[in-house]
This record gives sequence, C-alpha cells and structure tokens, in this order.
Amino acid sequence: AQSVTQLDSQVPVFEEAPVELRCNYSSSVSVYLFWYVQYPNQGLQLLLKYLSGSTLVKGINGFEAEFNKSQTSFHLRKPSVHISDTAEYFCAVAYSGAGSYQLTFGKGTKLSVIP
Amino acid sequence: KAGVTQTPRYLIKTRGQQVTLSCSPISGHRSVSWYQQTPGQGLQFLFEYFSETQRNKGNFPGRFSGRQFSNSRSEMNVSTLELGDSALYLCASSPGLFLNTEAFFGQGTRLTVV
Repeated sequence: AQSVTQLDSQVPVFEEAPVELRCNYSSSVSVYLFWYVQYPNQGLQLLLKYLSGSTLVKGINGFEAEFNKSQTSFHLRKPSVHISDTAEYFCAVAYSGAGSYQLTFGKGTKLSVIP
Repeated sequence: KAGVTQTPRYLIKTRGQQVTLSCSPISGHRSVSWYQQTPGQGLQFLFEYFSETQRNKGNFPGRFSGRQFSNSRSEMNVSTLELGDSALYLCASSPGLFLNTEAFFGQGTRLTVV
C-alpha cells in the first residue's frame, strides 16, 4: 500500500529563518509528488508538484522542494519564512498507473512562525 | 472564475441519521474527488467521479456513497451516522482524470455527529 510519512508533526521557526518540512514516501517505480497548504478553516491549496523532469521544483509563495529518488524523499524548503506561512502543510503522493486522481496524504506538519 | 463550492459549511447530525453533502466543481471541471479529514486519521480518499461514473473508491464502508450529475455537481451521502464520522469533508475538482491537472479544493463541510 502507498504511504507517506511526514517526520515532524509540528515545526516552530522564527520569522525570516529558513525552514525544511520533511516528507518520505514508500518506494515505487514511478510516483508523482505534491505539497499542499491548509490555512485554518480552509481547504487545501497546491504549493508545488513533481511529475517528472528536474528534481528541484519551485512553487508558490517562495517554497521549493527536491525530489530524491534514492532516499524516497520530497522535502519542502523555504529560505525565509513569514508570519503568513503559519499553516498546516501536507505532503501527498499519487502513483502512476492509478489512472484517476487519487492522492495519499501524510499526516501533516503544523508550521508555526514566531515573530 | 468561481472556485469549488461545498454546501453546507457546517452540519450537526445525530447518530443514526443520514446526511447529504454537496459539491459544485469549477465550471468545466469533470472530475470530482471526496476526502475525509480527521485529527486521528488525517486526509483519506473517499471516492472519485468523472463524467457521472465512479472511477475509484477508498477503503470506507458502504454507508458512504456518492454520485455525480450531468452538470458535474456531486453529492456524497452517509447513512446511519456514527460518532466517528465527525470530520471535515473536502471536495476537489479537476479538469480531467490525469495527474498533471491540478486539483482545486473547496473549503469543506464540517460534519459533527452527536
């Protein structure tokens, strides 16, 4: 079965400091990877996605992630966080051959930016 | 362009009752997926519809069902509600089936079963 592990449930970080949110997935021949953000009482918004090509993916709001096939990881990074980045972040995976759009999500990481 | 609209936003039901949640996708989107979000289990896939056909179903009991209409609007139904069904139910729409099309999520319906 597909699985996604987000290694930290909560990450506090000071404003303007860098942050890395970690994500590992169960190995498969071919995967598609996503990071979503959820603000309180809101749905999910796509930050970035990896489908193929360059392993460094840039997304919205200054976030980027690197796909590492050998380590089965897709860590999310931002060089300098802002108060408005306080939210919950979800890593998700979809496996090729699944056909339709079905995502398996990690349990989420709550990012708290401290002023 | 209007986003994904889920109604109602909040709902309180009693154990044993049934409930119907509605999702209106973005205009032109033909794929609608449903997810259940709880603090304990996180986000779990319920089912996905494309052109009125259920294409995929998650590991949920038969009490959870859904359908999609010709205008792509979708409803999900939960019968014989249990306390554990309390959750945020999220709907996502995308233009098609393929993974290179982004899924757009609604704000969700928060269901509380008492």
